[in-house]
Amino acid sequence: DADVTQTPRNRITKTGKRIMLECSQTKGHDRMYWYRQDPGLGLRLIYYSFDVKDINKGEISDGYSVSRQAQAKFSLSLESAIPNQTALYFCATSDGNSPLHFGNGTRLTVT
Amino acid sequence: GEDVEQSLFLSVREGDSSVINCTYTDSSSTYLYWYKQEPGAGLQLLTYIFSNMDMKQDQRLTVLLNKKDKHLSLRIADTQTGDSAIYFCAAGRGSSNTGKLIFGQGTTLQVKP
Repeated sequence: DADVTQTPRNRITKTGKRIMLECSQTKGHDRMYWYRQDPGLGLRLIYYSFDVKDINKGEISDGYSVSRQAQAKFSLSLESAIPNQTALYFCATSDGNSPLHFGNGTRLTVT
Repeated sequence: GEDVEQSLFLSVREGDSSVINCTYTDSSSTYLYWYKQEPGAGLQLLTYIFSNMDMKQDQRLTVLLNKKDKHLSLRIADTQTGDSAIYFCAAGRGSSNTGKLIFGQGTTLQVKP
């Protein structure tokens, strides 16, 4: 679904590298989220933002940072990647009245 | 902390009904969701139910909610091979629609021809 676009789709990086995952949306939603999916654990919330000047930590924010560059853009950074950050990362949006709408995910492998 | 639990695997024959079960612990959750994930794809919202409802039906999908037992189920009638996917149950944290969801581990549905 092109409404929420995540780039890159796949990324392999080495331990200690800084990496940024990007998310952009055309839905006009104010709220944006980053979730992480691990096999057998479901999805867990990393960070969320209700508008451009609002950034909040989720349940697993350690080792991550985010930037809300515009209403439509929300990026996730790993300052110094480690192997246990290997996962599938999802960006999602909402207008506060509707369920979350997810992008297609970024598969990140840290070697 | 709050939790959502699902069984990990379900196998059914094409044409049968599938029932995927979920339990949650946050009694204040107002919004409860079912998402579907096909291989290599993101999460697709299937349906959701408000906590003041017991049942919601949408074509082949029926959601049942037992708020007393904090139990949610998704029934797929006349299951097709295209229904093979991972199904996630999710509960909204608290009573407001903040988008902060607690997800279950996901149930892999295998549909045999």
